[in-house]
Amino acid sequence: KQEVTQIPAALSVPEGENLVLNCSFTDSAIYNLQWFRQDPGKGLTSLLLIQSSQREQTSGRLNASLDKSSGRSTLYIAASQPGDSATYLCGKTSYDKVIFGPGTSLSVIP
Amino acid sequence: DTEVTQTPKHLVMGMTNKKSLKCEQHMGHRAMYWYKQKAKKPPELMFVYSYEKLSINESVPSRFSPECPNSSLLNLHLHALQPEDSALYLCASSRGGLQPQHFGDGTRLSIL
Repeated sequence: KQEVTQIPAALSVPEGENLVLNCSFTDSAIYNLQWFRQDPGKGLTSLLLIQSSQREQTSGRLNASLDKSSGRSTLYIAASQPGDSATYLCGKTSYDKVIFGPGTSLSVIP
Repeated sequence: DTEVTQTPKHLVMGMTNKKSLKCEQHMGHRAMYWYKQKAKKPPELMFVYSYEKLSINESVPSRFSPECPNSSLLNLHLHALQPEDSALYLCASSRGGLQPQHFGDGTRLSIL
């Protein structure tokens, strides 16, 4: 059974800190790894997608990396802001299916 | 603004009602998806449509009936739901395969 896990489950940091969110998964079959943000009561916003052949993607203050050999992905957020407070989910995409991790709830304190 | 539009945003219905959730995208995507998300849990896949044909049904109870009238629209017909079906229902679309999925804001469904 494919599993995706995320640690930590919750994280609270002061504004301005750099932080790392972790995602781990079993099964190294061909896939993409997508990071999403979800605000309370809202849908998912796609942040970054790393294709199976890639090692990292960057968008603004966000950088996501992928290590297929170890089954791990990280999302790095630089200079965190209160507006970054949300739940961050990683999703492993393999042919029309996305299997999500349980998410990390992030609070950035002003 | 999301490129995947879901209506209604909120729905309250009794267990004997029949209602439908609607999803629309105009990105030319060939795959559309329904997910169910309970509070503080990740989304769980329910159905996948590829080229307007049902390609994946994750053993969803028959009280949920999906329909894809055309390449831009996806419906989820609801009948005789149970209180445990209360959840956020998310629609997504993509070019298919390994391509990124784009999500709507969801319909918050409450069953009385």
